[in-house]
Amino acid sequence: QSVLTQPPSVSEAPRQRVTISCSGSSSNIGNNAVNWYQQLPGKAPKLLIYYDDLLPSGVSDRFSGSKSGTSASLAISGLQSEDEADYYCAAWDDSLNVPVFGGGTKLTVL
Amino acid sequence: EVQLVESGGGLVQPGGSLRLSCAASGFTVSSNYMSWVRQAPGKGLEWVSVIYSGGSTYYADSVKGRFTISRDNSKNTLYLQMNSLRAEDTAVYYCARVIVGQVYWYFDLWGRGTLVTVSS
Repeated sequence: QSVLTQPPSVSEAPRQRVTISCSGSSSNIGNNAVNWYQQLPGKAPKLLIYYDDLLPSGVSDRFSGSKSGTSASLAISGLQSEDEADYYCAAWDDSLNVPVFGGGTKLTVL
Repeated sequence: EVQLVESGGGLVQPGGSLRLSCAASGFTVSSNYMSWVRQAPGKGLEWVSVIYSGGSTYYADSVKGRFTISRDNSKNTLYLQMNSLRAEDTAVYYCARVIVGQVYWYFDLWGRGTLVTVSS
């Protein structure tokens, strides 16, 4: 059972837009920045979004992040087949004093 | 090139030990916070341990007392000594650089990982 809650899977057609939700609590998302990681099949995770909505250099602006209260979302627009991956949200947890992850969401581009 | 390269994984019997290494290039390990994160087969990501630039170390409850994180500044390398290994420690172990602020904590650079299998 992960501290942050994500849907196990989402799917959408190419060129469409999809959102992935991440639900937490006041001790993590509610009080700290949310980060998102993309893990392509068989690869290591890669930082996709940091500090709620910032993109690292080199990350496509088709990806965007947002946060409201104790929930966060990752949006991917103009879906492409290469976006098929597992996506993880994460944040520091003030109560546990550790970084916590969501269980991951598998994105399928139909 | 800025990168992390893990090594040292393999098959080990329950109760055994293994030491993972993570060689860094393009930046200085000792000037950064460095972590180990693991991923059991078909499962999600789990934070394991961190070493701060000042040398303080912290561990997930699941590995506390069994794993030790350390670094060799002369080799610019991070280590994870794993003792009393259990089947549930089977995972790909990633080393990662950590960026920390007052309200943020994230992994900005990841290695490719090394697989540890604990089985008799």
